[in-house]
Amino acid sequence: ILNVEQSPQSLHVQEGDSTNFTCSFPSSNFYALHWYRWETAKSPEALFVMTLNGDEKKKGRISATLNTKEGYSYLYIKGSQPEDSATYLCAFTRTSGSRLTFGEGTQLTVNP
Amino acid sequence: DVKVTQSSRYLVKRTGEKVFLECVQDMDHENMFWYRQDPGLGLRLIYFSYDVKMKEKGDIPEGYSVSREKKERFSLILESASTNQTSMYLCASSLQSDIQYFGAGTRLSVL
Repeated sequence: ILNVEQSPQSLHVQEGDSTNFTCSFPSSNFYALHWYRWETAKSPEALFVMTLNGDEKKKGRISATLNTKEGYSYLYIKGSQPEDSATYLCAFTRTSGSRLTFGEGTQLTVNP
Repeated sequence: DVKVTQSSRYLVKRTGEKVFLECVQDMDHENMFWYRQDPGLGLRLIYFSYDVKMKEKGDIPEGYSVSREKKERFSLILESASTNQTSMYLCASSLQSDIQYFGAGTRLSVL
């Protein structure tokens, strides 16, 4: 079983704060790193898929970076809003079409 | 939009019952997956399938089986439900690009 670790486990921030969290994964035989957002009572939704070392992706106030050589990815949220409250999951895959291995997630709560 | 539909949002079953969790996707995806989610453990893969009538064990297949008779439908079967199978179950599907599209989840309680 591949080990994907996320930190912190949970995070409470105030509205307007910027925040970031980490995903670490095995760097050997890397294929892709995914980020998903899972809001309460909804389905997990894909945010980003990154494959190349140095990749940076952005969607609105959320961005992510990837370092495949050292095996980590950061997710950043600029100016957090209460609607950003969710569990953020990262997942790793070694070959195209193969299974994803998920981390435990970071639970973000943004207080108004 | 891709739609992945799980047949029930909440289920309550008794120990020893046979339980079927159904999942249907409408985008002709080859790959389908069943996960369970427990506090502090994240999403753990139970079984997956790359094609009709094909199945592969995930990380925690014990106590479960699956069926994929049609491309759009992937069923998870608990042959004899036990209390340690109380959990949130999520189905997902994908094309070769690997982005997985998830259903809303089934919260199963085994009493």
